[in-house]
Amino acid sequence: DTAVSQTPKYLVTQMGNDKSIKCEQNLGHDTMYWYKQDSKKFLKIMFSYNNKELIINETVPNRFSPKSPDKAHLNLHINSLELGDSAVYFCASSQRLRSEQFFGPGTRLTVL
Amino acid sequence: QQPVQSPQAVILREGEDAVINCSSSKALYSVHWYRQKHGEAPVFLMILLKGGEQKGHEKISASFNEKKQQSSLYLTASQLSYSGTYFCGTERRDDKIIFGKGTRLHILP
Repeated sequence: DTAVSQTPKYLVTQMGNDKSIKCEQNLGHDTMYWYKQDSKKFLKIMFSYNNKELIINETVPNRFSPKSPDKAHLNLHINSLELGDSAVYFCASSQRLRSEQFFGPGTRLTVL
Repeated sequence: QQPVQSPQAVILREGEDAVINCSSSKALYSVHWYRQKHGEAPVFLMILLKGGEQKGHEKISASFNEKKQQSSLYLTASQLSYSGTYFCGTERRDDKIIFGKGTRLHILP
């Protein structure tokens, strides 16, 4: 059974388009995260939700909007995609903030 | 404040030992260590919560010197499966985890 899953695995799109990435965890965790890993492999936190409440909101462009319909799901919607948005986006979950994080397989976003 | 990891890259032969360091300029609540293999997601290794605490995972152990705001990851008798990029993540009280830039470890047979 997959613990943290993301869809799609690959996403290739044109500049200016809007796209969404979905994440689901079946671990019963309370906290979920979105990370961006750029071409230099720097892993940077973007957002974190705890029990569907946004608790970490890093300085990312407001074109990025997370949404947590329930504790098991955290989606990421990106408007007006730019070349610099190309990266691998990882979803992760943990029992609570600060505990061990389980990462999803990642979504490789390429903006042309 | 992003922690600083050193070295940036290490090449070892199977069976050799390695140390990866992680330091912060800010007081820390905990240090997390993850390993990421090429094309895969990061995988949790361990969390260190107390000053001077040492933990182990297989032949991988780590220490955390709270006063010096430093942590070190020790890989003993390295195996081919240890290859990957190691990230430390530092956490201040009531704050998020910030990851370092990673240390690439390559094990040669």
